[in-house]
Amino acid sequence: EVQLLESGGDLVQPGGSLRLSCAASGFTFNNYAMTWVRQAPGKGLEWISSITGGGGRTYSADSVKGRFTISRDNSRNTLFLQMSNLRAEDTAVYYCAKEKELVVGPTIFDWGQGTLVTVSS
Amino acid sequence: SYELTQPPSVSVSPGQTARITCSGDALPKKYAYWYQQKSGQAPLLVIYDDDKRPSGIPTRFSGSSSGTLATLIISGAQVDDEADYFCYSTDSSGNHFVFGTGTKVTVL
Repeated sequence: EVQLLESGGDLVQPGGSLRLSCAASGFTFNNYAMTWVRQAPGKGLEWISSITGGGGRTYSADSVKGRFTISRDNSRNTLFLQMSNLRAEDTAVYYCAKEKELVVGPTIFDWGQGTLVTVSS
Repeated sequence: SYELTQPPSVSVSPGQTARITCSGDALPKKYAYWYQQKSGQAPLLVIYDDDKRPSGIPTRFSGSSSGTLATLIISGAQVDDEADYFCYSTDSSGNHFVFGTGTKVTVL
């Protein structure tokens, strides 16, 4: 059974930084691309960033480009999202998601339960 | 930037058919995925590659795509199907991925 467990969400001040982690289990991690998706309170889903299975290629939304960095450690079966220069509009639940295959689709098949990031002074 | 447009809401009586549309210029050449999201829960994949159903998803969920319009169909809708539904696809470059605006389905 695929399990994705996000952690690292917190209350942070505007301009601050935060690193989210996603511990994966139940599948061969390095065989699958991974993605971060967020959802602001009461709003829809927003794709943030994706990374191929080997980690060699990444994709990011314009709204976070230059501020957020996706990465993965295949030896630890863990996905990361490094967030910097955070803004109030980054407040959201952040979901870790597993794609259908090695390359990025978009083909999200499985989701974690999410971790809440709140940006406020 | 690329957009996928959905109707804000769809209402249907129990046992009737609900159709949720997703409009995007790249859909003639790109697959659509559909997710169901119930209140307070993570999204759940209900349709992939336009018209394929993951294991465990009831057969009343189906999908189709024609031209710039992808459609999620719930045949014989049940009260348990009340949720928000989002389509998901990519622009023509294949490098930027987008969720639709979301549709709230009410079954009553």
